[in-house]
Amino acid sequence: EIVLTQSPGTLSLSPGEGATLSCRASQSVDSTYLAWYQQKPGQAPRPLIFGASVRAAGIPDRFSGSGSGTDFTLTISRLEPEDFAVYYCQHYEGSPITFGQGTRLEIK
Amino acid sequence: EVQLLESGGGLEQPGGSLRLSCAVSGVTFSIYAMSWVRQAPGKGLEWVSSISGSGDTYYADSVKGRFTISRNNFRNTVYLQMNSLRAEDTAVYFCAKVQHWDLRNFFDYWGRGTLVTVSS
Repeated sequence: EIVLTQSPGTLSLSPGEGATLSCRASQSVDSTYLAWYQQKPGQAPRPLIFGASVRAAGIPDRFSGSGSGTDFTLTISRLEPEDFAVYYCQHYEGSPITFGQGTRLEIK
Repeated sequence: EVQLLESGGGLEQPGGSLRLSCAVSGVTFSIYAMSWVRQAPGKGLEWVSSISGSGDTYYADSVKGRFTISRNNFRNTVYLQMNSLRAEDTAVYFCAKVQHWDLRNFFDYWGRGTLVTVSS
């Protein structure tokens, strides 16, 4: 089972700043099978990135994903007020599918 | 527009059973894998189970032998039969559509979730 560890646990930033969220896998994974989701309180997760770097439909280009092997990054440039949420990475190369524990992005 | 609508959640006693349903519209249901993901109160996301377009099933170790996923392609619905419920099964259960036929694709559409509470 691939264990995903996200850091930091909480990130406090101001609108307009850039954010860098990390997801580290317990062993090397194929970047084809790495995704990121955004979740706001009381809502379903929203797909952001799949294949480590491909934006899902309708996702603004201030969101970008990168990485390979064991280290993956979600970058949000120029934070908008609606970007403050919890972000999860996911590994989906078969069973079991695993999620990171999440990074909370909060307004400073 | 793709829509997923879960139902069947509620309060059940430990050891009891519930069946969740997820009705899907706006897409050719039969050609996509489907999944269930849960979120305990104040916690992160946990994958529960998936079923491929061909009917192959997959389970998290935490539910294997107690939960059964199935699909009805005529009704565009995926089900999660949950037996021998435990307090630790308490969570919001989300239904998610997988991007392709095969499990090894990301979850591109999600329902709003249904709350399952296991308590005496």
